[in-house]
Amino acid sequence: GQQLNQSPQSMFIQEGEDVSMNCTSSSIFNTWLWYKQDPGEGPVLLIALYKAGELTSNGRLTAQFGITRKDSFLNISASIPSDVGIYFCAGRDFTGTASKLTFGTGTRLQVTL
Amino acid sequence: GAGVSQSPSNKVTEKGKDVELRCDPISGHTALYWYRQSLGQGLEFLIYFQGNSAPDKSGLPSDRFSAERTGGSVSTLTIQRTQQEDSAVYLCASTFAGTVNQPQHFGDGTRLSIL
Repeated sequence: GQQLNQSPQSMFIQEGEDVSMNCTSSSIFNTWLWYKQDPGEGPVLLIALYKAGELTSNGRLTAQFGITRKDSFLNISASIPSDVGIYFCAGRDFTGTASKLTFGTGTRLQVTL
Repeated sequence: GAGVSQSPSNKVTEKGKDVELRCDPISGHTALYWYRQSLGQGLEFLIYFQGNSAPDKSGLPSDRFSAERTGGSVSTLTIQRTQQEDSAVYLCASTFAGTVNQPQHFGDGTRLSIL
């Protein structure tokens, strides 16, 4: 199925460093979502973005909905060991109602002390 | 519980057998989704139920896959004559579809292994 291009695929950083990851699509989306998935668990919603240009924060996390509607980024400031996991972006397009999401390929984050 | 519940959490079966995976959505959520996640991959949409509307089956990979949602709540995903490539984590999500932008909430998935 269709997937978004998410980068980087993986990151190996030290505790306290800032992290940035992004997602791009050839399609326009009207909603961007960022999820985190821990091993053996389902994805958990981190941030939802509903408007082009929107910048939203959730604690140490900040995400933006690209002005072109085709991209989004997620920043994590001052990373800590519990930030380890796989981060997925997801987009919902205009043709959907409360319909399916298209997911990115994921960014695997590893944090060392 | 308060979240999406899936069962079983793990399923191992022989190739050619049929399997049924269950999803209990969050109470009051009218929309329910099934996704498949292969090892190290993102989520692949399978099927979507919304209220009494006909389900969106556009993501089902073959006619061996089917799903039902009884009474607008519990859903069962059935895979017939399983193949090794069906091995994956099957995730269910639900949302309240009263407004278009409600985010989806996921269960922990069923890890399916076909021997």
